[in-house]
Amino acid sequence: AQTVTQSQPEMSVQEAETVTLSCTYDTSESDYYLFWYKQPPSRQMILVIRQEAYKQQNATENRFSVNFQKAAKSFSLKISDSQLGDAAMYFCAYTLSPNTGNQFYFGTGTSLTVIP
Amino acid sequence: DVKVTQSSRYLVKRTGEKVFLECVQDMDHENMFWYRQDPGLGLRLIYFSYDVKMKEKGDIPEGYSVSREKKERFSLILESASTNQTSMYLCASSHAGAGANVLTFGAGSRLTVL
Repeated sequence: AQTVTQSQPEMSVQEAETVTLSCTYDTSESDYYLFWYKQPPSRQMILVIRQEAYKQQNATENRFSVNFQKAAKSFSLKISDSQLGDAAMYFCAYTLSPNTGNQFYFGTGTSLTVIP
Repeated sequence: DVKVTQSSRYLVKRTGEKVFLECVQDMDHENMFWYRQDPGLGLRLIYFSYDVKMKEKGDIPEGYSVSREKKERFSLILESASTNQTSMYLCASSHAGAGANVLTFGAGSRLTVL
């Protein structure tokens, strides 16, 4: 069974500092996709960043980057220059290679607090 | 702006009532999903659908049913609501086919069953 584990229920970071959120997953597949989603308080879940497992290069989106370690089945999210608007629940997610009806598996989330 | 719209942000129902949660997407997505979100448990898949009139059970389908009569609409039904179904319900959709199928979420429906 596919599982996604986020071992940090809560994290905090000082504004302008860097924070890393951890995620590990378990799969026997070799081709899959990984995601980080952000859910601000009382607001919609949005995609932060995604990574294709076949790509060795780590994905980056502005201040957000990932450290993808395929052998270790680890997919951490680094937020640089943290801003107050980064405060949210962050979910790591996994899905197999695309086909009709593929499922997404989510971790339990990490609540990030940004301290002014 | 493309979006997934959930008809109700907050609902309060009584035990035993029939509850309908509606979800509409305007992106012509093939796949639609219903998740339940509870603190400490993350998102758990209730049902998903990859085509009109098609449905597949997720991890926690007990006590729920779904309907997809049109491509853009995916409804979650609680036939007889119970207090343990008090939760946040998230609808999402995605394209089928090649490429990473990014999920687009609705704003959520917070259901309280008394």
